[in-house]
Amino acid sequence: GESVGLHLPTLSVQEGDNSIINCAYSNSASDYFIWYKQESGKGPQFIIDIRSNMDKRQGQRVTVLLNKTVKHLSLQIAATQPGDSAVYFCAETLRGTDKLIFGTGTRLQVFP
Amino acid sequence: DGGITQSPKYLFRKEGQNVTLSCEQNLNHDAMYWYRQDPGQGLRLIYYSQIVNDFQKGDIAEGYSVSREKKESFPLTVTSAQKNPTAFYLCASSIGRQPPDTQYFGPGTRLTVL
Repeated sequence: GESVGLHLPTLSVQEGDNSIINCAYSNSASDYFIWYKQESGKGPQFIIDIRSNMDKRQGQRVTVLLNKTVKHLSLQIAATQPGDSAVYFCAETLRGTDKLIFGTGTRLQVFP
Repeated sequence: DGGITQSPKYLFRKEGQNVTLSCEQNLNHDAMYWYRQDPGQGLRLIYYSQIVNDFQKGDIAEGYSVSREKKESFPLTVTSAQKNPTAFYLCASSIGRQPPDTQYFGPGTRLTVL
């Protein structure tokens, strides 16, 4: 089975609010994590990554948090905009490999 | 899509026919990957290549074949042996020299078997 999963398949937020998308992983040997955004009919777009020696990383309007104790990853989007509407995937890489393991994704819907 | 192109965007095939999907990158990346995505699901790895003239099977390689004769090209052939080929196919590339390594994706090809 998959070792990366998501708690919420669909997340609806109001424009301007903050969004939090969660991801659980089961493999303690994973040491690199990526969040991708995929709009309908397009390829996944890299958003932000984090290595296992960090617990937080910030980008422009996005923050990724990693809790290795409970094997949990989250993506926070500040001031969510309509353009943020998409499916968001987390992916993990096992230590020493370059193979990504993807979760099933969370759909983010932004309403006015 | 960052220098990765896939063609065509939409592809239709009759049952029993082989079809080849193109993937080209101008990022000078060593590693290239093919994934399959079914509706409402995540990506599953078909094949990957870490260097020219070498490639490895992914998790769902049956019914597919690849070649890597040039660094910038990694075509995928969907053969008639693939039982359920209708899907969205995504190609990715990465620097590949030392894991962990970020993969960047192309725009995808949607294959429909009629």
